[in-house]
Amino acid sequence: EDQVTQSPEALRLQEGESSSLNCSYTVSGLRGLFWYRQDPGKGPEFLFTLYSAGEEKEKERLKATLTKKESFLHITAPKPEDSATYLCAVQPITQGGSEKLVFGKGTKLTVNP
Amino acid sequence: GAGVSQSPSNKVTEKGKDVELRCDPISGHTALYWYRQSLGQGLEFLIYFQGNSAPDKSGLPSDRFSAERTGGSVSTLTIQRTQQEDSAVYLCASSLALRQGRTDTQYFGPGTRLTVL
Repeated sequence: EDQVTQSPEALRLQEGESSSLNCSYTVSGLRGLFWYRQDPGKGPEFLFTLYSAGEEKEKERLKATLTKKESFLHITAPKPEDSATYLCAVQPITQGGSEKLVFGKGTKLTVNP
Repeated sequence: GAGVSQSPSNKVTEKGKDVELRCDPISGHTALYWYRQSLGQGLEFLIYFQGNSAPDKSGLPSDRFSAERTGGSVSTLTIQRTQQEDSAVYLCASSLALRQGRTDTQYFGPGTRLTVL
């Protein structure tokens, strides 16, 4: 069964204190791994797609990396506006070609000024 | 351009009533998805449309749940005889997905918060 586990469930940082969020996954075949950001009361906002082990992508203070078993979202010198829940999802290779995503439960990040 | 829109944003209903939730995808997006987000749970896949057909309905939790898509655009998720456990945020997403099997970004709407009393 395809599964995604995110850790920690919650993370509190001081402004400027860098850290990493973890997403470990088990999937029969991986078409892509996605990172989203979700603010309270809103839908998930797309951040990154990673396709193969060794791939890295960056956007402002965020950097996502991928291995064969896990992905990390590194946050460098975070600001209070980075506070949100970060969701990781995998898109498995399926025989039927379904495009569905399998999500983890998310990491709730709070950055204090 | 306009993103994915959903209506209503909030819906409160009584147990046993039927509800309809609407999703307007991004113009030109051929694929449409419904997910459910319950308190403390991750997003749970419900159904996937490619055009007007649904190749994957595997996430629908019971036969009380159904969905349709017309004209390759708007989709409606219907829940019959609602139960309290149906209370959740229902999220719709769309993607280009011009070729099945191609990985395209799914863009989400703001969701409909359903509360069943």
